[in-house]
Amino acid sequence: QVHLVQSGAEVKKPGASVKVSCKASGYTFNMYGLSWVRQAPGQGLEWMGWINPYNGYTTYGPNFHARVTLSTDTFTSTAYMELRSLGFDDTAVYYCARDRIDQIGIDGEHWGQGTLVTVAS
Amino acid sequence: DIVLTQTPLSSPVTLGQPASISCRSSQSLVHSDGNTYLSWLQQRPGQPPRLLIYKISNRFSGVPDRFSGGGAGTDFTLKISRVETEDVGVYYCMQATQFPHSFGQGTKLEI
Repeated sequence: QVHLVQSGAEVKKPGASVKVSCKASGYTFNMYGLSWVRQAPGQGLEWMGWINPYNGYTTYGPNFHARVTLSTDTFTSTAYMELRSLGFDDTAVYYCARDRIDQIGIDGEHWGQGTLVTVAS
Repeated sequence: DIVLTQTPLSSPVTLGQPASISCRSSQSLVHSDGNTYLSWLQQRPGQPPRLLIYKISNRFSGVPDRFSGGGAGTDFTLKISRVETEDVGVYYCMQATQFPHSFGQGTKLEI
């Protein structure tokens, strides 16, 4: 059974950084990609980026490539999303989601439970 | 970058009646591998998104058969044959044909 379990809620000050984890289980970690998606309060879904755990390839959304780093630890089957220089508008729920690599898997097939990041002074 | 435009943004529906949501892409979503990576997600209040339909018309495991997807190229539709109470939520189309992936704005289904 596939599970993506994310780290707990965070409260950060403006200008700080946050690192959210997403621990995968129930499947071969290197065989599927992982996307990160965020949702500001009352807003829609915003795609942040994608990582291939097999070779570490990453690609980022246009609003994030300067401030986000995606990484994985294949020994613990854990993915990480680090967001730097936080502003108030980064307050959101952050999700990881399992995606395909090439034609293996289905995009958005499994989602983490979400991690609330609150930016407050 | 590909922009997805959903209509309507809000859809009042009657239980037992059909509902339909449209998703239009700014570019063709046909991938070089021949597949079209257009999905539909449902998000109930307070929950993560849930995959309903992938590659235009494939119902994901456990999704009731009252949900169906169709379309091609740049125009896609999600249909619910008979709306039930549990279908209340926000529906998103998502494209994963090209990076950056993108979502439609969401359509709120209200009884």
